[in-house]
Amino acid sequence: DAKTTQPTSMDCAEGRAANLPCNHSTISGNEYVYWYRQIHSQGPQYIIHGLKNNETNEMASLIITEDRKSSTLILPHATLRDTAVYYCIVRVDGGYNKLIFGAGTRLAVHP
Amino acid sequence: DAGVTQSPTHLIKTRGQQVTLRCSPKSGHDTVSWYQQALGQGPQFIFQYYEEEERQRGNFPDRFSGHQFPNYSSELNVNALLLGDSALYLCASLNRGPDGELFFGEGSRLTVL
Repeated sequence: DAKTTQPTSMDCAEGRAANLPCNHSTISGNEYVYWYRQIHSQGPQYIIHGLKNNETNEMASLIITEDRKSSTLILPHATLRDTAVYYCIVRVDGGYNKLIFGAGTRLAVHP
Repeated sequence: DAGVTQSPTHLIKTRGQQVTLRCSPKSGHDTVSWYQQALGQGPQFIFQYYEEEERQRGNFPDRFSGHQFPNYSSELNVNALLLGDSALYLCASLNRGPDGELFFGEGSRLTVL
């Protein structure tokens, strides 16, 4: 079973920041938080991952609470092309470990 | 640099038939995982292959089997197809180094009638 809970859906205006929350209250000390997204009918795309420090890359920022029980993915300036299902996943790092997907958050970016 | 490629992109089968789906991993990747994604749901892990052996398996019946070839490409076979096997089948590849990012293909959409 997925170890994360996310809202089913969210809306965001184009150009504004999209903040997607994720709860992972049972996360273990050696588990990372990963975010993937899936645009309609395409394969999931890696966005970002982190252990306990906040992370930023060209796509997004990841804010992890100090107790690591929740995190927020931030898309700083959402565009229409960011409309997708966003999955928050926790897993032990090491490339061979499987991903367990939940239902994700369906983000709709509107003009 | 080609990413993960899958074939065929779409196919239609009837109940009881068998299907083979194919995956070529991203260059430099030696591990392949397969996922099944039913409509409206997140992907579900089927199994993973490394060094031509099945290393991990999800909660799928023995009708689902796979193979990995020396060039790291992989096949997913499903026997005795059921209507419930209709789904998008995703292949993901990775290298077993410290950077554990999985790269997914675009999937093969299977419809069972």
